[in-house]
Amino acid sequence: DIVLTQSPDSLAVSLGERATINCKSSQSVLSTSGKKNLLAWYQQKPGQPPKLLIYWASTRESGVPDRFSGSGSGTDFTLTVNSLQAEDVAVYYCHQYADVPLTFGPGTKVDIK
Amino acid sequence: QVTLKESGPALVKPTQTLTLTCTLSGLSVSTQGMRANWIRQPPGKALEWLARIDWDGDKFYSPFLKTRLAISKDTYRNQVVLRLADVDPLDTAMYYCARVGVGDALDIWGPGTMVIVSS
Repeated sequence: DIVLTQSPDSLAVSLGERATINCKSSQSVLSTSGKKNLLAWYQQKPGQPPKLLIYWASTRESGVPDRFSGSGSGTDFTLTVNSLQAEDVAVYYCHQYADVPLTFGPGTKVDIK
Repeated sequence: QVTLKESGPALVKPTQTLTLTCTLSGLSVSTQGMRANWIRQPPGKALEWLARIDWDGDKFYSPFLKTRLAISKDTYRNQVVLRLADVDPLDTAMYYCARVGVGDALDIWGPGTMVIVSS
């Protein structure tokens, strides 16, 4: 199974500042073609299902504000939230769909400082 | 517009079999490329993938729960059904269904259904 770890477990950022979340995979999540990283990022607010933010490691889902960006390849990935807004308070999960069983990271809680 | 909605019992006794239903709207369970997943989340904990069924009937399971899980689809009712046998209080969780969509990621999720296992 592909194990995902996230760091930090939680962070508090001032409004308007940047939040950076890291995700490390126990093995590569590159597709069989070698062209796509099958890694997604989700945002989950209390009482709501996860919301897809980023897929293919760096492609923003339609309607997601451009302050959210994803980067990385192979086994190391980053989600960056530029200019943090109050509505960005949530838990963020990375998720690999390169192989079954699908797996998720443990989550990173983002709060306002 | 594609939506998914989970339903099932809110309370189940230990050792019973839990049956959950995911009803799809705006998308047929038989449409080529349709892949529906079940994921659960215990209170305050992370997401755990359980199973997937594809439009052609292929099925995939979490190795940790494989002996207890069964996923199926009902073409007539346009539903995906998950059965979890021999439940335990550790199976208490919010259960979500989600489809594979854009970028092959889980792009549309249902609101979830909360299941408590308790005697």
